[in-house]
Amino acid sequence: DTGVSQNPRHKITKRGQNVTFRCDPISEHNRLYWYRQTLGQGPEFLTYFQNEAQLEKSRLLSDRFSAERPKGSFSTLEIQRTEQGDSAMYLCASSEQGDYGYTFGSGTRLTVV
Amino acid sequence: EDQVTQSPEALRLQEGESSSLNCSYTVSGLRGLFWYRQDPGKGPEFLFTLYSAGEEKEKERLKATLTKKESFLHITAPKPEDSATYLCAENSGGSNYKLTFGKGTLLTVNP
Repeated sequence: DTGVSQNPRHKITKRGQNVTFRCDPISEHNRLYWYRQTLGQGPEFLTYFQNEAQLEKSRLLSDRFSAERPKGSFSTLEIQRTEQGDSAMYLCASSEQGDYGYTFGSGTRLTVV
Repeated sequence: EDQVTQSPEALRLQEGESSSLNCSYTVSGLRGLFWYRQDPGKGPEFLFTLYSAGEEKEKERLKATLTKKESFLHITAPKPEDSATYLCAENSGGSNYKLTFGKGTLLTVNP
């Protein structure tokens, strides 16, 4: 296993369009997290899955954001009707047990023009 | 609301010049304090987890320590390849291990 994989690495989209990002976690990890990071800031928690169950969502996550993890494997994060404020790096992370720390992917950089 | 504050925001060192980065946290009943390293354009890389005041962990030139109110990341005789942003985070999510991150310290080590 080569780690957490995220696709695409970069996405430029026009305001109002929908975008979807994919995350493939380390195969034996049952915990999966999505974070968002803007320039000069630390990552901010968006949502958490344990296997296929979405157990927690941030209050930051508007109704335009939705995430899924079918069959407890890969995950997708969709943003509908993108706004310029959505421009950020979207990071996915997985872990087997939380106290060993996450393994992050390299992220998807979204630019909304 | 849980808050993590890191200082300084940026630090420039000469190769071999040791120093420390600070992380202050406010959550009561700490359930884990994490340190990560982040290189430009990449996701954070896990370094350490600390749970109890007095706990210390080491990895190469890095040593993390924890008190009741703050954590320090000590860098001994740094090299240019240690240049990166160092992020501190606390577990604010209990068994979900949801992390609250600080803004990070940008470390530059000049040869």
